[in-house]
Amino acid sequence: GESVGLHLPTLSVQEGDNSIINCAYSNSASDYFIWYKQESGKGPQFIIDIRSNMDKRQGQRVTVLLNKTVKHLSLQIAATQPGDSAVYFCAENRASGTYKYIFGTGTRLKVLA
Amino acid sequence: DGGITQSPKYLFRKEGQNVTLSCEQNLNHDAMYWYRQDPGQGLRLIYYSQIVNDFQKGDIAEGYSVSREKKESFPLTVTSAQKNPTAFYLCASSRGFGSGELFFGEGSRLTVL
Repeated sequence: GESVGLHLPTLSVQEGDNSIINCAYSNSASDYFIWYKQESGKGPQFIIDIRSNMDKRQGQRVTVLLNKTVKHLSLQIAATQPGDSAVYFCAENRASGTYKYIFGTGTRLKVLA
Repeated sequence: DGGITQSPKYLFRKEGQNVTLSCEQNLNHDAMYWYRQDPGQGLRLIYYSQIVNDFQKGDIAEGYSVSREKKESFPLTVTSAQKNPTAFYLCASSRGFGSGELFFGEGSRLTVL
């Protein structure tokens, strides 16, 4: 299987509890942010995104919070399920058209039965 | 189903050989990208293409080459000049260049023996 994520920080959560995964982004000029989920041996899947004119955005069981003052992004997963076990990472981008997406290193989420 | 298809999923290569990784998308996206993923690191950009017949070096282009002869195809060649080619390679695309959600393929794992 894919060895990506061997040395990542790990968050262990009991099934049914809420999970909070954090990301510190690097560029104060970034105005678009994405959370991805990556299962072992697979490509990243889009979870949710948020633009800098918002502080919070909700999806199905997921919420992203953006704190521009401290350049911090968080992903909240409600009622965590075994299928949520994966590596989660954030990406930042400037919507002005630069090619540069900057990716975080990721956090491994382990859901305990 | 629209998406990005990468092949092969696993590839083994002897030192000194060139290999080509395929990436095809049917999303009608203009922009395509190649990233490299290594354990404990964020995705790093190898090459990107804004439009057919155009491509630019990313942050770690040395030892790699690409072509963009068709909108839907963006193959990556890992040459013998790449000093540490063993990695997980991800192809991605976006509607607009450098903006919006990045859609990823399932990845290709290259191992140099």
